[in-house]
Formats: sequence, C-alpha cells, structure tokens
Amino acid sequence: EVQLVESGGGLVQPGGSLRLSCAASGFTFSRYWMHWVRQAPGKGLVWVSRLNLDGSSRTYADSVKGRFTISRDNAKNTLYLQMNSLRAEDTAVYYCARGASGSNSHDYWGQGTVVTVSS
Amino acid sequence: SYVLTQPPSVSVAPGQTARTTCGGINIGSKSVHWYQQKPGQAPVLVVYDDSDRPSGIPERFSGSNSGNTATLTISRVEAGDEADYYCQVWDSSSDHWVFGGGTKLTVL
Repeated sequence: EVQLVESGGGLVQPGGSLRLSCAASGFTFSRYWMHWVRQAPGKGLVWVSRLNLDGSSRTYADSVKGRFTISRDNAKNTLYLQMNSLRAEDTAVYYCARGASGSNSHDYWGQGTVVTVSS
Repeated sequence: SYVLTQPPSVSVAPGQTARTTCGGINIGSKSVHWYQQKPGQAPVLVVYDDSDRPSGIPERFSGSNSGNTATLTISRVEAGDEADYYCQVWDSSSDHWVFGGGTKLTVL
C-alpha cells in the first residue's frame, strides 16, 4: 500500500525557517517524481514545487522561488521541503504528492502537515 | 501564467447528473486531471489525462476536454460525492502545475 506521511509542521515566526519531511513507503520511491502542494485555510490547492527522480531538476511556484528548497533522499525514501524567510501567507496545510507514472497528475497524497507563520 | 477557471459551486439532487467545468485558454491541448477533496481530508485523484479513471474510482466519474473547456461529469450522484473538486494541468511553458480554484459540489 502506497503511503506518504508528512511531518515537521508547526508554528514559526515570520522570517523563520522550517523543514518538512515526507516519508514514503509501499512503492519504489526513486522511480517517481515528487511534489509539494499547499492549501491555505479555507482556500484552494496551490502547487508549490516538484523534484525529478535523482533530485537534479527542480521547479518552484513563483511565490516560493528563492525561499523554499525541495530535495530528496532516495536511500531514506524521504522528500523534504526547506522553507526559509517564511511569511504569514505561507500559512497552510502542506501535502506531499507522488507524480503519477506516465501522467503529470498526482496519484497519491499524504494527509498533510500544518504550517502556521505568526508572531 | 496559465489560469484555470472553475465555478465556485454546483448543486444537484441525489441520483441526478452533476457537471462542473474548468476553463482555460486552449485547454483542449492539455491533459486535465480532477481531484476530489472532502472536508479535513487529502485530495483524491478521480480522473486523469482528461478521461481516465484510477483504479477504485467508480465509473460514475467521467471527464472530457475540448476547446477552452474541460468537464467533470458525475452520474447518479450520491450523498458521499459531496466535496470540493479541483481541475489541474501541467503548463509546459512554465513547467508549473496549475490548479483551478475549485468547485464545491452540494448534494441537495
């Protein structure tokens, strides 16, 4: 069974940093692109970032480019999101999602971790 | 950047057919994916590549895509289908993934 479990969320002050993790199991992690998607309270889904198989190619939404860094450790089956210079508007539930094989959809999602940026 | 437009809400009676749209410039040239999200839960992929269904998704869920509009159709709607539905595409020009604003489906 495919499982994605996020962790690392919490309350952080504006300007602070946080690192999210997404532990993957039930599939060969190194064979799939991975993504982060966020959802602000009461709002819609917003794609944040994606990472290719070996971590050599990354893309970011304009709103987080230069502040967030996506990475992966295929030996540990784990995806990361390093978030720096956090702003109030980064407050959201952060989901990791698997890129579907042969499609650019997201076929499995974690349950999300909550990030709150507030003083 | 590429923009997807969805109606905020759609209402339908049980047993009827619900249709919700996703508008975008020449969206027919892109592959559209649809996600269902119930309150407090993670999104679930219900249609991918315009009209394909993941395993485990009922045949009642179907999709189409042409011109400037993609459509998600839910036949024989059940109370359990009440949720937010999001369309999504990959924008090749920016290498970004884009979601529509979402449509809340209410089962009357």
